[in-house]
Amino acid sequence: SSELTQEPAVSVALGQTVTITCQGDSLRPYHASWYQQKPGQAPVLVNYGENNRPSGIPDRFSGSSSGNTASLTITGAQAEDEADYYCNSRDSSGNHLVFGGGTKLTVL
Amino acid sequence: QVQLQESGPGLVKPSQTLSLTCTVSGGSISSGDYYWSWIRQHPGKGLEWIGYIYYSGTTYYNPSLKSRVTIALDASMKQFSLRLSSVTAADTAVYYCARTDILTGHYQVPVWGQGTLVTVSS
Repeated sequence: SSELTQEPAVSVALGQTVTITCQGDSLRPYHASWYQQKPGQAPVLVNYGENNRPSGIPDRFSGSSSGNTASLTITGAQAEDEADYYCNSRDSSGNHLVFGGGTKLTVL
Repeated sequence: QVQLQESGPGLVKPSQTLSLTCTVSGGSISSGDYYWSWIRQHPGKGLEWIGYIYYSGTTYYNPSLKSRVTIALDASMKQFSLRLSSVTAADTAVYYCARTDILTGHYQVPVWGQGTLVTVSS
């Protein structure tokens, strides 16, 4: 297996841009996916692959990657974006999934 | 629109076996494009992948749980299940069933059940 590392907490002023990162060796061969989770709710996929968004996800959510680091950028953060964000990918073996520890985003 | 629904006991005694079922509606469980997954979340903590099963019955498990986990699939019932043996309080968590899309080779989880809290306590 392998690990994905995220910053535990990030804050952003309303309307500003924030980037959340995810680091791990498995991100060299595999793309990360990103999930938003609000209290008491199941996670929601917000970005995956080479910057793909599921239907209904605002275009302010964008993904990118470089080397062993994947990033989720929220451009013009809204109050409703305050949530926990998780990355995941296949692990280095390719057979399993691994999640990052999560980043708590606060919108000020 | 595929929907997933977990079902099973919300309370399990220590040393017993946790059993949950996920019912798939609105789509096929027999597609080669997906793995059917179990993911859990301890109270106030992050997401932990438990394992998944392919429609053919092939399974993959989290190495840290492998000795205690069994995932099975019943295509006729459009259900897949989780069994976790010898549970302790450390297995208290919200358990999610989910669909993992594998077509591109970069796996993502676009469909989740609502989650069910399982408490391990005597």
